Amino acid sequence: KAGVTQTPRYLIKTRGQQVTLSCSPISGHRSVSWYQQTPGQGLQFLFEYFSETQRNKGNFPGRFSGRQFSNSRSEMNVSTLELGDSALYLCASSPSEGTGSLWTGELFFGEGSRLTVL
Amino acid sequence: KQEVTQIPAALSVPEGENLVLNCSFTDSAIYNLQWFRQDPGKGLTSLLLIQSSQREQTSGRLNASLDKSSGRSTLYIAASQPGDSATYLCAVGSNYQLIWGAGTKLIIKP
Repeated sequence: KAGVTQTPRYLIKTRGQQVTLSCSPISGHRSVSWYQQTPGQGLQFLFEYFSETQRNKGNFPGRFSGRQFSNSRSEMNVSTLELGDSALYLCASSPSEGTGSLWTGELFFGEGSRLTVL
Repeated sequence: KQEVTQIPAALSVPEGENLVLNCSFTDSAIYNLQWFRQDPGKGLTSLLLIQSSQREQTSGRLNASLDKSSGRSTLYIAASQPGDSATYLCAVGSNYQLIWGAGTKLIIKP
């Protein structure tokens, strides 16, 4: 069974640009969540999608957005990039389907997309 | 506000030793607690998931315990190996969020 796939793995952007990251969950998983990991702030929750609906959202500005497609694949977008957006962006899928699956079910992570903003 | 702390931040031990990593949380009203492993530049691998009603979980050489009343979880690694070198993170499901510790960087010396 294929794991969680994130693309691209590495990318470099300049301030003011926008970026789109993609995540394909494990087959059959309908919950996809996104996280930002930086040396200073550690892991922080961005948002979670289930059946194309955003169920939960972390404390990030509106420049960070996401969506989920009918095949459960998810994308996140960051507009007007800032230097502080440089981070490892991780996607996780979960087999749990309950409303609280984000924090009750087991999470399976992708390798991440490392974004560098110059 | 739930806060999760992991101590120590880094640990270096010789191969073969048994070791304990600690995770503490401030609010005992949790749904579950998960331990993850992260290799440099990689994603996270789930090691053990303990639901709030459970006291411990075991997988191979790993054993994780949960004591909600004291706000603590420990990850016990038996007979450590160089391949166990990684950063270990705990995450607590609480108050409709997933709260992460900063991690313990573990180095096992051959």
